[in-house]
Amino acid sequence: DAGVTQSPTHLIKTRGQQVTLRCSPKSGHDTVSWYQQALGQGPQFIFQYYEEEERQRGNFPDRFSGHQFPNYSSELNVNALLLGDSALYLCASSSSSGGIYEQYFGPGTRLTVT
Amino acid sequence: AQSVAQPEDQVNVAEGNPLTVKCTYSVSGNPYLFWYVQYPNRGLQFLLKYITGDNLVKGSYGFEAEFNKSQTSFHLKKPSALVSDSALYFCAVRGRAAADSWGKLQFGAGTQVVVTP
Repeated sequence: DAGVTQSPTHLIKTRGQQVTLRCSPKSGHDTVSWYQQALGQGPQFIFQYYEEEERQRGNFPDRFSGHQFPNYSSELNVNALLLGDSALYLCASSSSSGGIYEQYFGPGTRLTVT
Repeated sequence: AQSVAQPEDQVNVAEGNPLTVKCTYSVSGNPYLFWYVQYPNRGLQFLLKYITGDNLVKGSYGFEAEFNKSQTSFHLKKPSALVSDSALYFCAVRGRAAADSWGKLQFGAGTQVVVTP
């Protein structure tokens, strides 16, 4: 049973560019959440997707957007990249039928903005 | 607003000794509480959770945590630490209000655990 997978593993972008990160949830999960983990900090909630809609959003600007596909996989898009966007981006999946108690995290995508 | 505090940036312990990682929280009403562990260049791995019931929660790899409502704490413990327990530990909270029902987690800043042989 595959867990949460994310691609790519690492990414280097230049300021002002756009980036797309991808996530496939654990089998049987229908809810995907995205978190940003800056160096030396705990993960910060970006947003959550369920039934292909953004259901909840953290304190992140509109440059951060996402999408969920019918197979429950998800994308995180960041436009007009800033140096401060450099971080580990974590995807977490959960099941809406399970009360969303446990979120299973992927290995993350390390984004470096130069 | 909900928040989590992990007062120690790093905890050092000798192998075989008890390990405690501290966590306090602030949330309206009764919380859902979680502990995760992160190894270098890896995602977060779930250790245990408190939802309701017994204040002592047992989790993976011999870890346990005690929910203390009066002290708003949820300290992680292990009776006998292993060198392989060296990692970054995160405490997280989720409220029970309707706005929190979708599962947004608020994480602490993390505590680095170093277990020496």
